[in-house]
Amino acid sequence: QPQLQESGPGLVKPSETLSLTCTVSGGTVAGGSLSSSAYYWGWVRQTPGKGLEWIGTIYYDGSTFYSPSLNSRVTISADTSKNHFSLRLRFVTGADTAVYYCARQKTFGGVIAPYFDYWGQGTLVTVSS
Amino acid sequence: EIVMTQSPATLSVSPGERATLSCRASQSVGRDLAWYQQKPGQPPRLLIYNASNRATGIPARFSGSGSGTDFTLTISVLQSEDFAIYFCQQYDDWPRITFGQGTRLEIK
Repeated sequence: QPQLQESGPGLVKPSETLSLTCTVSGGTVAGGSLSSSAYYWGWVRQTPGKGLEWIGTIYYDGSTFYSPSLNSRVTISADTSKNHFSLRLRFVTGADTAVYYCARQKTFGGVIAPYFDYWGQGTLVTVSS
Repeated sequence: EIVMTQSPATLSVSPGERATLSCRASQSVGRDLAWYQQKPGQPPRLLIYNASNRATGIPARFSGSGSGTDFTLTISVLQSEDFAIYFCQQYDDWPRITFGQGTRLEIK
């Protein structure tokens, strides 16, 4: 099975950019390769108030899908040579304080199955001056 | 946006008994629904996908049912490790995924 691990600053100032990286390990056999067409890779965040919120997803070919509510502030990118993908969220406010998870989505018959079957442990990001 | 509403917010059940959790969608999502279990300090764990398919390694005491707007997660004989928060997620409206707010399953 793949292993996913989030990393990045735990504290970000208001109006600045939140940047996180998800490193995926386990190799192709374990379903941990960002170069594989069999998987998509997403970001989800969780707050006590709003619960779980999908942020966006990237595919091996670089295509991206973003939540409409965050679309104007989010960029997800991937580095297949390092087998990691990244999240950038611009102009953050206190409402962006959350635990951020990276997670895997499979394909089925060549089409995305948009549920999340493997997750990282999550990282708490606090937005505060 | 499709709104997912879970009920009850908190469910108190004794070990060994059956637990039934509900999830309702604001519009039909077909069978494009997943259930997750989350314990404190851990990420969500996929239990059920496509409304009724158990994920890899999930015990048979977990079952999902429903279609359209009304879905149920049933835990047939509660074990101590099953007390957690459960979330539903619709993905029929991909890429506009939404989650329910969760049901906390606590020991009675």
